[in-house]
Amino acid sequence: DAKTTQPTSMDCAEGRAANLPCNHSTISGNEYVYWYRQIHSQGPQYIIHGLKNNETNEMASLIITEDRKSSTLILPHATLRDTAVYYCIVRVYSWYNNNDMRFGAGTRLTVKP
Amino acid sequence: SQTIHQWPATLVQPVGSPLSLECTVEGTSNPNLYWYRQAAGRGLQLLFYSVGIGQISSEVPQNLSASRPQDRQFILSSKKLLLSDSGFYLCASRDRGSSGYTFGSGTRLTVV
Repeated sequence: DAKTTQPTSMDCAEGRAANLPCNHSTISGNEYVYWYRQIHSQGPQYIIHGLKNNETNEMASLIITEDRKSSTLILPHATLRDTAVYYCIVRVYSWYNNNDMRFGAGTRLTVKP
Repeated sequence: SQTIHQWPATLVQPVGSPLSLECTVEGTSNPNLYWYRQAAGRGLQLLFYSVGIGQISSEVPQNLSASRPQDRQFILSSKKLLLSDSGFYLCASRDRGSSGYTFGSGTRLTVV
């Protein structure tokens, strides 16, 4: 799986958009970009994933650059409850890929009032 | 949708004591199951994964072991705990053909 690089921490004002970057310059053509988040003392929660097209769901938007070497997770209107560690993971998606999702250190996002 | 039950939520155990953490999954069948550990302020480290009953793969050498006696039951064990075993242990499940993982609420283990 390709390695990812994320900032250690970020702050965001409540109600503003939170833009969390992720670099994955060694990504290969069949690897997807996944985002999870972990609120303190809870298990990680799936947010969104994508291959090359931008994706949006009820939680967030995922913007992937054309060369796929980086991506940005966007929380359009951050709330205090969005304070968490956000993990960007690059991984091959395959029904027979039985191994793990490897988590790095992630970005600690703090939403401030 | 899947639900993962993990217990206990917190546990304090003396060095050298045994450990048994249990994870059960509802809402799916024949999932892939995983045990992760998170040390304080660190990312998640995969410990074990299982693709079926009795099938366990270990990612790191350690004094922990895992077992899957039933399709939706995954157990993490140790015969003798070390101080370095302290951490936040998470069980996760993934359906075959699905990209998303569902995590349990975790067990915070402190070895004293």
